[in-house]
Amino acid sequence: DTEVTQTPKHLVMGMTNKKSLKCEQHMGHRAMYWYKQKAKKPPELMFVYSYEKLSINESVPSRFSPECPNSSLLNLHLHALQPEDSALYLCASSQERLAGVINEQFFGPGTRLTVL
Amino acid sequence: AQSVTQLDSQVPVFEEAPVELRCNYSSSVSVYLFWYVQYPNQGLQLLLKYLSGSTLVKGINGFEAEFNKSQTSFHLRKPSVHISDTAEYFCAVSVYFGNEKLTFGTGTRLTIIP
Repeated sequence: DTEVTQTPKHLVMGMTNKKSLKCEQHMGHRAMYWYKQKAKKPPELMFVYSYEKLSINESVPSRFSPECPNSSLLNLHLHALQPEDSALYLCASSQERLAGVINEQFFGPGTRLTVL
Repeated sequence: AQSVTQLDSQVPVFEEAPVELRCNYSSSVSVYLFWYVQYPNQGLQLLLKYLSGSTLVKGINGFEAEFNKSQTSFHLRKPSVHISDTAEYFCAVSVYFGNEKLTFGTGTRLTIIP
């Protein structure tokens, strides 16, 4: 299984809602990532988890809250979002973080989020 | 810090013609280089990567890229494109230490003209 799955595919939410995005991989990868991609822009890294611990937070606002319950699952909890947070949210995974070892990141299809 | 420049935001090409998508990078340390493709409404798929060794790298779907250290370039080429190659192409760089962070270029939209 070389797939990263993301649910839901599409999500529309109001600014007062609380919702969650889910990402799952069964490749035994120990590093997982959240990216945000605005229309016609490249992906921007938000968070990195390594061995279920948060290792990078790219100064993301607290209305985005990541969670890694186990090595296969990555969640992104959303609360009080703004319309400018509307974007494609991509999850990725890679084997593990080791200095000097490059590991390909496998991307999921993304969740397209619209904040009204 | 590293950066990536993709000089062309859009490249229209006739079907079965060759194509080159340009990518230049900047880094004070050794880097790894990647090309990703994104089809409409999909995630990113790795086309090819340069880690070390031979400067000519072959990838999937008939694409190849050449690493040129003196020109800090990693241009993507395909000798004959197909309609199905219509997509957004991203060049990305990762530093040798701390491989978790990919820095992407702004992307090149490849449009194949029948």
